[in-house]
Amino acid sequence: GAGVSQSPSNKVTEKGKDVELRCDPISGHTALYWYRQSLGQGLEFLIYFQGNSAPDKSGLPSDRFSAERTGGSVSTLTIQRTQQEDSAVYLCASSPGSVKYEQYFGPGTRLTVT
Amino acid sequence: GENVEQHPSTLSVQEGDSAVIKCTYSDSASNYFPWYKQELGKRPQLIIDIRSNVGEKKDQRIAVTLNKTAKHFSLHITETQPEDSAVYFCAASSGNTPLVFGKGTRLSVIA
Repeated sequence: GAGVSQSPSNKVTEKGKDVELRCDPISGHTALYWYRQSLGQGLEFLIYFQGNSAPDKSGLPSDRFSAERTGGSVSTLTIQRTQQEDSAVYLCASSPGSVKYEQYFGPGTRLTVT
Repeated sequence: GENVEQHPSTLSVQEGDSAVIKCTYSDSASNYFPWYKQELGKRPQLIIDIRSNVGEKKDQRIAVTLNKTAKHFSLHITETQPEDSAVYFCAASSGNTPLVFGKGTRLSVIA
């Protein structure tokens, strides 16, 4: 079946612009996660949606970052007033249940802020 | 909150040798410990996980051990092959909190 998809695959933006990154999780997966991976670095947790519960936003690095998940499916990560340090690969993952289930990752969006 | 330390950051082994990657965690409430493998340019994929009710789990050439008292867990890969070359990430969670990942270990298997 279809895996997790993300769009765009690459995004180049100028400093100060807003960007929106999209994630389509696997159908039926109740949990959705956003991570940031800087070059050669680990996976930095950003935000976690589980069903109809309030999202866990504890990983968002600043108030320039926000995310929403509409209808329990597609999610959008928005970065306002982008900065050069926002340049990274943004990975989305989904799982069929809580954190203790395997997370299926999307291919990521490579964001470059010039 | 949880803090996960992973060592070594890079590891080179000869093909056929074993590789061991170690992680420590800080939150005694953590009870779920997955390992993800990320090949160059690809997305991370789960290779094995362990829950705190067991001390060891094996899947062919891969094994994970957990020491709850010492709060550390390790990944063991035996009879390494070139296709094992990748970055490996450990992670920990209590189940109610998001996974906290280690910074990764870049494993190179030299043929």
